[in-house]
Amino acid sequence: QQPVQSPQAVILREGEDAVINCSSSKALYSVHWYRQKHGEAPVFLMILLKGGEQKGHEKISASFNEKKQQSSLYLTASQLSYSGTYFCGTEVAPNAGKSTFGDGTTLTVKP
Amino acid sequence: ETGVTQSPTHLIKTRGQQVTLRCSSQSGHNTVSWYQQALGQGPQFIFQYYREEENGRGNFPPRFSGLQFPNYSSELNVNALELDDSALYLCASSLVADPGELFFGEGSRLTVL
Repeated sequence: QQPVQSPQAVILREGEDAVINCSSSKALYSVHWYRQKHGEAPVFLMILLKGGEQKGHEKISASFNEKKQQSSLYLTASQLSYSGTYFCGTEVAPNAGKSTFGDGTTLTVKP
Repeated sequence: ETGVTQSPTHLIKTRGQQVTLRCSSQSGHNTVSWYQQALGQGPQFIFQYYREEENGRGNFPPRFSGLQFPNYSSELNVNALELDDSALYLCASSLVADPGELFFGEGSRLTVL
């Protein structure tokens, strides 16, 4: 079952903040975040592992609540380049061989 | 640039035909996954290959098949194409040690008429 993302879409002005949420009904081993711009490949942003380990871009922050199986991506002081569709992907075990993605949150940043 | 290359970038087929999509992994990556992305949706996992063997499969029928070669490049084959197979097919490479950190290619856009 795929994770559920919220909101589906958000519109911001430059400099504003946004939070994108990802929720799963399954116990997760990891959550990972990607950004996809129109016509381009999804780009890896961050991975959060059960137990607290994180790896990703310095300017991106996220959290993973293992008890609730929820992750949030925090976009602060947004820039025009942040526009795109953000996907969370989840894995239920290490080396499970399968990542399940949500349907995405479309972020539009306006001048 | 991700280092993952896919070909062809666009193709049009008719129902019942067969298609082969190709993917070259990022240098040093030993795992390749294939995803189907319908318009407005997230990528749906098709299967993953590691050391030339299938290492996990999503909810796709057997007419979706794949191969991984010794140089870690990969192919996705789809037989008996259906209209619903129209989608963007994404290839992603990764390391077994970093399973969630996927490096995607720009995809092959398949249209089935």
